[in-house]
Amino acid sequence: EDQVTQSPEALRLQEGESSSLNCSYTVSGLRGLFWYRQDPGKGPEFLFTLYSAGEEKEKERLKATLTKKESFLHITAPKPEDSATYLCAVPQNRDDKIIFGKGTRLHILP
Amino acid sequence: ETGVTQTPRHLVMGMTNKKSLKCEQHLGHNAMYWYKQSAKKPLELMFVYSLEERVENNSVPSRFSPECPNSSHLFLHLHTLQPEDSALYLCASSQEGKGHSLGLVKAFFGQGTRLTVV
Repeated sequence: EDQVTQSPEALRLQEGESSSLNCSYTVSGLRGLFWYRQDPGKGPEFLFTLYSAGEEKEKERLKATLTKKESFLHITAPKPEDSATYLCAVPQNRDDKIIFGKGTRLHILP
Repeated sequence: ETGVTQTPRHLVMGMTNKKSLKCEQHLGHNAMYWYKQSAKKPLELMFVYSLEERVENNSVPSRFSPECPNSSHLFLHLHTLQPEDSALYLCASSQEGKGHSLGLVKAFFGQGTRLTVV
């Protein structure tokens, strides 16, 4: 069964303390992987799409990387406004439907 | 400002009520989705409409009934719900291009409707 697992479930960092969020998947023949950000009471907001192992994408303090088994979302010198839940998603091969991980709740302390 | 608008933002309904959730997208997209987001669970895809045709999702109970009258509007009709159906219901849209499957295009989400079934 295709699965997406995100870790850690929650992460608290001091402002400026860099770290990484992990998304591992069991989908064979990965065709793409999405990262979204979700603020409380709002819908997810698209961040990145990665299509192949070795690919990297950056946006402000965020950088997403992809290997054959997992993706990392690196956050460098985070600020309190980076606090949110970060979601990872991949399309299943058998029916093309997107499956999401449970997300990582990130809290940046000022 | 999001290009996908959902109403109402909050809804409390009894188990015998009938209500509808509404979604409107202003992005010119040709695919729309309903997702369910429960506490401690991943986002679950409920229904997909692509080019106004529904892609069935057999795991969704019949008490949820979607309707897509045109490419800009999507409804979710609710009847005889259970307390466990309480969740955040999210609508999303995307643009399906030639040669690109729906699973590979990014989606734009609305703010969601927080539904409480009492």
